[in-house]
Amino acid sequence: DQQVKQNSPSLSVQEGRISILNCDYTNSMFDYFLWYKKYPAEGPTFLISISSIKDKNEDGRFTVFLNKSAKHLSLHIVPSQPGDSAVYFCAASGGSNDYKLSFGAGTTVTVRA
Amino acid sequence: DTAVSQTPKYLVTQMGNDKSIKCEQNLGHDTMYWYKQDSKKFLKIMFSYNNKELIINETVPNRFSPKSPDKAHLNLHINSLELGDSAVYFCASSSGETQYFGPGTRLLVL
Repeated sequence: DQQVKQNSPSLSVQEGRISILNCDYTNSMFDYFLWYKKYPAEGPTFLISISSIKDKNEDGRFTVFLNKSAKHLSLHIVPSQPGDSAVYFCAASGGSNDYKLSFGAGTTVTVRA
Repeated sequence: DTAVSQTPKYLVTQMGNDKSIKCEQNLGHDTMYWYKQDSKKFLKIMFSYNNKELIINETVPNRFSPKSPDKAHLNLHINSLELGDSAVYFCASSSGETQYFGPGTRLLVL
């Protein structure tokens, strides 16, 4: 039973343009959300996170938006660069007393030159 | 300086064998985890230890036994390996809500 869903398995974007990755969740107890980036044959690398008390968090080229009523979050990458080509995983947890991360299936981003 | 390291990186073995994967973190974190990434690429939690105490055990077969000799290490021992155990196993650690992952161990059971 997947509680975190990334319905787009892949995304292709031109260098310099915006990449928008989407994630939906079903568990209303989730209150902390993270995005990880993964290159082939490497472990997931933490990218950015957001607590449920916020609706936006920004870090350089990366911005995460959270819509709690819709149980939806998105990651915006602006501008997209060739090094951004990777698999992006959305993850969620129930807060500091729940250490489990539930992951989405991932979205493969390809940035075209 | 590797924050979360795993050994070995690749492991090829025969069905029925017993094998161990080691994980070490130098981040000073209290909590460590094992995740399994299956052929469909889903990452699923298996175990979590906090200060050497087991806090999460996600319906994993008894053939899998984690061991934490100290809070910087979390090893995974697998008995009687089966074909379905072939996967990538990731170790992670955290001191709060953000988890940091190791590079993974690619296990292939023949």
